[in-house]
Amino acid sequence: NAGVMQNPRHLVRRRGQEARLRCSPMKGHSHVYWYRQLPEEGLKFMVYLQKENIIDESGMPKERFSAEFPKEGPSILRIQQVVRGDSAAYFCASSRRDSTDTQYFGPGTRLTVL
Amino acid sequence: AQKITQTQPGMFVQEKEAVTLDCTYDTSDQSYGLFWYKQPSSGEMIFLIYQGSYDEQNATEGRYSLNFQKARKSTNLVISASQLGDSAMYFCAMRELNDDKLIFGTGTRLQVFP
Repeated sequence: NAGVMQNPRHLVRRRGQEARLRCSPMKGHSHVYWYRQLPEEGLKFMVYLQKENIIDESGMPKERFSAEFPKEGPSILRIQQVVRGDSAAYFCASSRRDSTDTQYFGPGTRLTVL
Repeated sequence: AQKITQTQPGMFVQEKEAVTLDCTYDTSDQSYGLFWYKQPSSGEMIFLIYQGSYDEQNATEGRYSLNFQKARKSTNLVISASQLGDSAMYFCAMRELNDDKLIFGTGTRLQVFP
């Protein structure tokens, strides 16, 4: 399967713990985007990365959230000291910035904070 | 101001009938892309169809087509010959040329009944 891979699919954390969400883009894609979906809402942009660079983090909360896309390995979205309000589905998308720049999404990680 | 508006929270359609899902958008850019995604109950986001702002013809992709009316800033999704498997949430999204992120509407829940 050459699609966008995300793991884990489901993640349960207690308040105060750390959550690490991983995303491997589609083959040939070097642009990664993270979105968050709260229940019964559309997706909200968080951050856009290329290899080793954060290009746009205008949608990221200022505290506790960070993202990286290292030269080797998957992109990581890290949430420190999780709170109940962080419970959501987190989607990763990738694109290759061609003429349509279509973003293809992974299956998402559903984070539940107890 | 909301940039993507989907005014139909829910729609019903009988199997084999056609259905139109509405989407209007707001932008001052001349160059932008419009996207539709399907989110079934399993949760993944599936890309359906794309329309560029300079495309003169309405996009089509199998049973999916767009009724793109640029002057009205609307891009309605038409699903022909509905199938039970079309039951899902449908999200309209836009990306402006000089931006990286997709902006999503709140979605329309489509239910196809036999």
